[in-house]
Amino acid sequence: AQTVTQSQPEMSVQEAETVTLSCTYDTSENNYYLFWYKQPPSRQMILVIRQEAYKQQNATENRFSVNFQKAAKSFSLKISDSQLGDTAMYFCAFMKHPYGQNFVFGPGTRLSVLP
Amino acid sequence: DTAVSQTPKYLVTQMGNDKSIKCEQNLGHDTMYWYKQDSKKFLKIMFSYNNKELIINETVPNRFSPKSPDKAHLNLHINSLELGDSAVYFCASSQELAGGLQDLTQYFGPGTRLLVL
Repeated sequence: AQTVTQSQPEMSVQEAETVTLSCTYDTSENNYYLFWYKQPPSRQMILVIRQEAYKQQNATENRFSVNFQKAAKSFSLKISDSQLGDTAMYFCAFMKHPYGQNFVFGPGTRLSVLP
Repeated sequence: DTAVSQTPKYLVTQMGNDKSIKCEQNLGHDTMYWYKQDSKKFLKIMFSYNNKELIINETVPNRFSPKSPDKAHLNLHINSLELGDSAVYFCASSQELAGGLQDLTQYFGPGTRLLVL
C-alpha cells in the first residue's frame, strides 16, 4: 500500500520570503502522479501543482515549484515570494492509474504566512 | 458557475438519523469521488464512481451508500448516523481524457461539515 508522509505539521514564513514543504512517499509503482493541494480556512481543496512520475522536469506553476526526486521518493513544494493568501493547510497526495485508485493524501502541513 | 457543488454546507443532526449529501459537477467529468476529512484533517477516499459505476469502495461501513443517478451527480446517503461520522465530507470529480489516459487532477467541492449530536 502507498503511504504519504509530511514531516512538518506546522510551518511559518514571513511575507515575501521563500518556504519549502517536504513530502515523501512509499510505493512500488513506476507510473503515478503526485499533487500538492491547498486547503485555506474556507475548507475548499484547491489544486496547487501536479507532477507526472515519468517526467524528469520539475513542475512549476507561477510562484509554486516542486523538487521531484523519484529515486528518493521525495516531492517537496517551494513557495516563492510568500503571500498572506498562501496561509492554508497543504496536502501532498499520491495517485496511481487509473480512476483515482490509491489516491492517498499526506497528513498535511499547516503553513502560516506572517506579515 | 461553481464547478463542483455540494449541499448542504452544514448538517447538524441527532444520532440514529438518516441524512443525505448531494454533489453535482458541471465539468462534464465522468469520475466522481467522496472523501472524508476527520477532525485531525486526515483526508481519506471513501468511494469512486466512473460513468455511474462503483470503482472504489474503501472499508466504509455499509451505513454509507453512494448513489449516482447520472454522470454529473454522486449523492451520499448515511443511515443510522453515529457520533464518529462527524467530519467534513468532500465530493470531487476528474476526467478521463480521450485515448484512456486519465487527467487525474481532481476538482473538489467546498465540503459538507456534518456534526452528529
